[in-house]
Amino acid sequence: AQSVAQPEDQVNVAEGNPLTVKCTYSVSGNPYLFWYVQYPNRGLQFLLKYITGDNLVKGSYGFEAEFNKSQTSFHLKKPSALVSDSALYFCAVSAVGGATNKLIFGTGTLLAVQP
Amino acid sequence: DVKVTQSSRYLVKRTGEKVFLECVQDMDHENMFWYRQDPGLGLRLIYFSYDVKMKEKGDIPEGYSVSREKKERFSLILESASTNQTSMYLCASSFASGRSQYFGPGTRLLVL
Repeated sequence: AQSVAQPEDQVNVAEGNPLTVKCTYSVSGNPYLFWYVQYPNRGLQFLLKYITGDNLVKGSYGFEAEFNKSQTSFHLKKPSALVSDSALYFCAVSAVGGATNKLIFGTGTLLAVQP
Repeated sequence: DVKVTQSSRYLVKRTGEKVFLECVQDMDHENMFWYRQDPGLGLRLIYFSYDVKMKEKGDIPEGYSVSREKKERFSLILESASTNQTSMYLCASSFASGRSQYFGPGTRLLVL
């Protein structure tokens, strides 16, 4: 069965410091991997995705994520955090070529960036 | 830009009422989804549809039904609302299987 784990409910970081939000996954076959961000009282916004190719994926707002097949991880990173990055972040996975249309979402990680 | 709209941002209903949540997308996407979001539980899939009049149950379909009569519109129906259906409801659409989903702003439903 497909699953996604976000081991940290909350990540705290000071503005200007690098940030990492962790995600590990379990899927049969090769994965499609996604990161979404949710600001208060809003829907989810797409940040970036990994389908194939370069393991380092760059996305919106200066975020990037690294696909690590051996560790089955897809951690979200940013070199220098901004207060405006404070939001809820979701990792999601789907199986390449799978019959399902579904994405499986993690439980979310709240990122708090202190000024 | 893909636009997914939901009919209401906030709704307050009484136990036992029939509730309709509407979602419309403007990008001719094949797939549409309804999720509910609860603190600590993330997003849980209620139903999805991969074509007009086609639907499949997600992980938590009990107490819900859906309707997709037109490609751009996907409705979620709570046949008899209960207090445990108080939640944030998110609609999404995507072009193809397993691809990026685009979300609406959400409907926060309170059932009293």
